[in-house]
Amino acid sequence: KNQVEQSPQSLIILEGKNCTLQCNYTVSPFSNLRWYKQDTGRGPVSLTIMTFSENTKSNGRYTATLDADTKQSSLHITASQLSDSASYICVVSPNTGGFKTIFGAGTRLFVKA
Amino acid sequence: DVKVTQSSRYLVKRTGEKVFLECVQDMDHENMFWYRQDPGLGLRLIYFSYDVKMKEKGDIPEGYSVSREKKERFSLILESASTNQTSMYLCASSLPLGGNYGYTFGSGTRLTVV
Repeated sequence: KNQVEQSPQSLIILEGKNCTLQCNYTVSPFSNLRWYKQDTGRGPVSLTIMTFSENTKSNGRYTATLDADTKQSSLHITASQLSDSASYICVVSPNTGGFKTIFGAGTRLFVKA
Repeated sequence: DVKVTQSSRYLVKRTGEKVFLECVQDMDHENMFWYRQDPGLGLRLIYFSYDVKMKEKGDIPEGYSVSREKKERFSLILESASTNQTSMYLCASSLPLGGNYGYTFGSGTRLTVV
């Protein structure tokens, strides 16, 4: 069964610190992996998208990595800001058609002053 | 600024009511989706549409129906609302091939059924 598991479930860090969020997936065959940021009460907004041939993708202070062999991805946030407080969702699309996208449950990040 | 607009941010409805959730996109996207989001669970696909008047069931279509009479508008209908349909509902749109291009999401509608 295709699954996407994210860890930790929630995380609290101090402003200015770095953090790394994890995503493991069992989706196969694999097409692409995306990270979304979802502010409270809002819809998810895309941060990065990587195909199976890409190892890393950056978007400002956000850097996503992908290891297609171990089926793991991480999202690294550098010099966190209060506005980074949100849920981060890992999304994986199999290479079997565009509608079977699988969403992880998300990691809830709290950045404290 | 391209966007997906959901008509209501918050709704409170009574059990048994017929509920309409509206979604409009201005990006001329072919694909539109309705998801529900519950704590501890990933987004779950209710229905999607790849063209006007076309619809396909997602993973949890029971108790829901949809309508797409125009390309820019995708409506989710709860025929007879029940308390277990209390949830956050998210509409999304995308270019053809769906997942390979990523989705643009609306801000969501938080529905409470009492």
